Amino acid sequence: QITLKESGPVVVKPTETLTLTCAVSGFSLINGRVGVSWIRQPPGKALEWLAHIFSNDEKSYTTSLRSRLTISKDTSFRQVFLTLTNVDPLDTATYFCALPSRRLVGAYDFWGQGALVTVSS
Amino acid sequence: DIQMTQSPSTLSASVGDRVTITCRASQSVSVWLAWYQQKPGRAPKLLIYDASTLQSGVPSRFSGSGSGTDFTLTISSLQPEDSANYYCQKYNKYPGAFGQGTRVEVK
Repeated sequence: QITLKESGPVVVKPTETLTLTCAVSGFSLINGRVGVSWIRQPPGKALEWLAHIFSNDEKSYTTSLRSRLTISKDTSFRQVFLTLTNVDPLDTATYFCALPSRRLVGAYDFWGQGALVTVSS
Repeated sequence: DIQMTQSPSTLSASVGDRVTITCRASQSVSVWLAWYQQKPGRAPKLLIYDASTLQSGVPSRFSGSGSGTDFTLTISSLQPEDSANYYCQKYNKYPGAFGQGTRVEVK
């Protein structure tokens, strides 16, 4: 059974750096055929794709946030991290990690439960 | 980057109605399009992938069609439990992109 679980701070102050962790279990990410994405959703708004990392460490970022985002993974690829610098109240959102299991770039058939992060002083 | 546009933004229909949601991509994504259902406080659930393939366990009243830039999600007979937000997503390549969502209300 594949599971993903996000963790991180509940509240972050403006201008600080947000770091989130996605723990993946039940699936090997080292076989080179899959990766993990981060997606966020501000309260009452649409899903926004943020970033993706492959097992070979290749990465992709959304253009609008590229300068503030960093995605990374641990050596075992059991954890994937997302860093967002210089946060603003507009970054308040539920942050999801998700995994496409069928192909290298695919639809997300596995999702974490999401982690709500509020940016407030 | 490719932009995804859904319509309508909201729709209200009765139990048993046939409902159609459309998604348009600003450039061709071939058949690399998915549809998700999301209920309040929950993660999105994959309904359709590769434009028309029904995800395992999803009721057969859901169907998808289209290719290139124009796609549709159809619910053949709307049920009360289908009240939710629906999103399309392209995945021909990264970066990914989602549509702005369609809220479906069951009268």
